[in-house]
Amino acid sequence: RKEVEQDPGPFNVPEGATVAFNCTYSNSASQSFFWYRQDCRKEPKLLMSVYSSGNEDGRFTAQLNRASQYISLLIRDSKLSDSATYLCVVNRANNNDMRFGAGTRLTVKP
Amino acid sequence: EPEVTQTPSHQVTQMGQEVILRCVPISNHLYFYWYRQILGQKVEFLVSFYNNEISEKSEIFDDQFSVERPDGSNFTLKIRSTKLEDSAMYFCASRQGSDGYTFGSGTRLTVV
Repeated sequence: RKEVEQDPGPFNVPEGATVAFNCTYSNSASQSFFWYRQDCRKEPKLLMSVYSSGNEDGRFTAQLNRASQYISLLIRDSKLSDSATYLCVVNRANNNDMRFGAGTRLTVKP
Repeated sequence: EPEVTQTPSHQVTQMGQEVILRCVPISNHLYFYWYRQILGQKVEFLVSFYNNEISEKSEIFDDQFSVERPDGSNFTLKIRSTKLEDSAMYFCASRQGSDGYTFGSGTRLTVV
């Protein structure tokens, strides 16, 4: 099983749609979880951390389910500018090195 | 906003040559990393560095690779004898505590 697994997509949605991404991780001792966004040929940029209680930042909501070892990202009211690849990032247990999922590609269309 | 700086932005080198990729992490960060991303593929961990030594390295980080923090600000990745398959985007990252990483804008390495 891969350390971090994501549905690669692509997800093609119209503007204004709600879209959700899931990510599973293999190590139950992982403690830190993040969603990053990566635009084509650019560096990954931190979108949001994921906390046990779930957290929201504007149109973005992240949730963590430790029992099932998955995290999710919900984007409401999609904008054209949300088009990017979304990377699920999980730390490895007993150290703070992060491992990346392969990313989920999102295209928001007019 | 503090940023991680990488130079050069693009490097073209001949197979077998040595290259040094340079990074200036955020000044109060303690943990430093190199990742690479082959075009169209996932971001792959290479090495982590803390307290002036390597804390972990991946299978990719073989004897051809080395890292150094020669002074208080720079963090370098050296590839001793480049291969065609080393062509990729190389990202430097740093962080302070348990926060997420901050990435540099990357160096695109092309081995010909």
